[in-house]
Amino acid sequence: DAGVTQSPTHLIKTRGQQVTLRCSPKSGHDTVSWYQQALGQGPQFIFQYYEEEERQRGNFPDRFSGHQFPNYSSELNVNALLLGDSALYLCASTLGLAGHGYTFGSGTRLTVV
Amino acid sequence: DAKTTQPTSMDCAEGRAANLPCNHSTISGNEYVYWYRQIHSQGPQYIIHGLKNNETNEMASLIITEDRKSSTLILPHATLRDTAVYYCIVPGGTSYGKLTFGQGTILTVHP
Repeated sequence: DAGVTQSPTHLIKTRGQQVTLRCSPKSGHDTVSWYQQALGQGPQFIFQYYEEEERQRGNFPDRFSGHQFPNYSSELNVNALLLGDSALYLCASTLGLAGHGYTFGSGTRLTVV
Repeated sequence: DAKTTQPTSMDCAEGRAANLPCNHSTISGNEYVYWYRQIHSQGPQYIIHGLKNNETNEMASLIITEDRKSSTLILPHATLRDTAVYYCIVPGGTSYGKLTFGQGTILTVHP
């Protein structure tokens, strides 16, 4: 049973560029959340998607946007990259909007230079 | 979200029980307590959650005090692979999906 799959695993971008990260939820899950984890810190909630709509959002600027597709997979887009956006981006999935227990992927390591 | 307080670090001998405490004195009646852990270079891993009653699964046990103001995660027979950062999380209200990770407890299991 495949868990949460994220791609790519590593990415290097230049300041000002745009990036798209991808996530396939665990089989049977329909709710996806995204987190940003800076080095040495705990993960920070970006947003949650359910039924192709953004349901909750953390304290992140509009440069961070997302999408959920009918097959429940999701994308995280970040525009106008800043050096401070360098982090590990984690995708997590569960079943239902009030699902207990999220399954996390291994993340995408984004480096902005 | 209810604020949680955990010790910064703890040590445990391999094979012994690891008891990780968490204070959540502002928890509301309908809020769950969740525990996750993060092993170095991996994504967080869900361990267990509870509302009022004590819970047990194949990974751990969760003991919640009667007043629900604190809880303890118990790893009955710690192994070296249990070395990780352990997070106690209380999402606010029905915001189950918005997990606020604090600093957590760094558990080091020694041979």
